[in-house]
Amino acid sequence: QKEVEQDPGPLSVPEGAIVSLNCTYSNSAFQYFMWYRQYSRKGPELLMYTYSSGNKEDGRFTAQVDKSSKYISLFIRDSQPSDSATYLCATLGGATNKLIFGTGTLLAVQP
Amino acid sequence: NAGVTQTPKFQVLKTGQSMTLQCAQDMNHEYMSWYRQDPGMGLRLIHYSVGAGITDQGEVPNGYNVSRSTTEDFPLRLLSAAPSQTSVYFCASSYSDSPYEQYFGPGTRLTVT
Repeated sequence: QKEVEQDPGPLSVPEGAIVSLNCTYSNSAFQYFMWYRQYSRKGPELLMYTYSSGNKEDGRFTAQVDKSSKYISLFIRDSQPSDSATYLCATLGGATNKLIFGTGTLLAVQP
Repeated sequence: NAGVTQTPKFQVLKTGQSMTLQCAQDMNHEYMSWYRQDPGMGLRLIHYSVGAGITDQGEVPNGYNVSRSTTEDFPLRLLSAAPSQTSVYFCASSYSDSPYEQYFGPGTRLTVT
């Protein structure tokens, strides 16, 4: 079993839709949870991170962690064509501080 | 700040050739790492360094060497290229007290024929 699982998509939505991206993880010791965004042929960039459980909001983006079910979510409100990218969830691997990534979900927002 | 820079952007190698992928950062980050990205596999950690003179293996280290003689530079060496090393390689860096916030370079697309 992979330590972080993510549906690869692709996911295609119309402009203005609410997007829900999800991951699951296996190790209950993980505390930091990140979402990276990667545009085509570019390096990933950090979008948001959360520590432990709960929600974090930044503009149109909300990250949610449910540690009881080991579930990580990213919600995008009022999606825009500029949100079209691959979204990668990640967590920090315990004492090693190594990032463990999901495989990424390719999102296309259609104008 | 240039951030994290990588050279070359593209490279084609023949099986058995060796080469070095360069990575540099100007943010005085202690932590640097190399990933490879393959379709359906996500980003996988090859090697990482927590500071000058200190390196360690990641998930997929075989066939690669690294060294860290300065804070700024973290080159990745392919010893004898194989077609299985065809991939996109990303270098990343962060402060040691915020490893969740890694800054990635633009990547090197490597093809081994």
